Amino acid sequence: DIQMTQSPSSVSASVGDRVTITCRASQGISSWLAWYQQKPGKAPKLLIYAASSLQSGVPSRFSGSGSGTDFTLTISSLQPEDFATYYCQQANSPLGFGPGTKVDIK
Amino acid sequence: QVQLQESGPGLVKPSQTLSLTCTVSGGSISSGSYYWSWIRQPAGKGLEWIGRIYTSGSTNYNPSLKSRVTISVDTSKNQFSLKLSSVTAADTAVYYCARDRGYSSSYYYGMDVWGQGTTVTVSS
Repeated sequence: DIQMTQSPSSVSASVGDRVTITCRASQGISSWLAWYQQKPGKAPKLLIYAASSLQSGVPSRFSGSGSGTDFTLTISSLQPEDFATYYCQQANSPLGFGPGTKVDIK
Repeated sequence: QVQLQESGPGLVKPSQTLSLTCTVSGGSISSGSYYWSWIRQPAGKGLEWIGRIYTSGSTNYNPSLKSRVTISVDTSKNQFSLKLSSVTAADTAVYYCARDRGYSSSYYYGMDVWGQGTTVTVSS
């Protein structure tokens, strides 16, 4: 099975900051990667699919990059509504999620 | 637009079978090339993929749960279901159903529609 790691596990940032989250797969997964945002008590929300494609309705400050084993989610200018936990997910069966990165207020 | 809603008992006794249903509204479960997935999340922890069923009826399961999991679909009711047998306290979690848009050549399209989640507690 493919293992997913994320770094950092948490980050404290201010509104307007640029935030970058890294996801690494234990073996190559091409572009079979998605990113989700989850707020407390809510279901995850799809942000990025195919590693770098922005889901409809998601603000353009979110972007994804990478292929193979190394991937990045970037929030170009952090907004108050972006404080949440972010998960990467690989799609080679069995599917799997990264452990999450919590973005909180500095 | 498609919406998903989980339903089922909120409390299950140890060693019994957890049974949940996800009702699909706003679209047909058998239209399009989608996978219908179950994911769970213990309190304060990360997301764990349980398994999925394709429109054709084929299934994939998390190997760590495979011996205890069955996912099925009822197209007449526009629902898909999860059964997890021999539950223990470790199965206590919020359970989500989700629509997985699947793949095309080298692309994966992600899980774009999620239910609100249902909390299942395993306790005597």
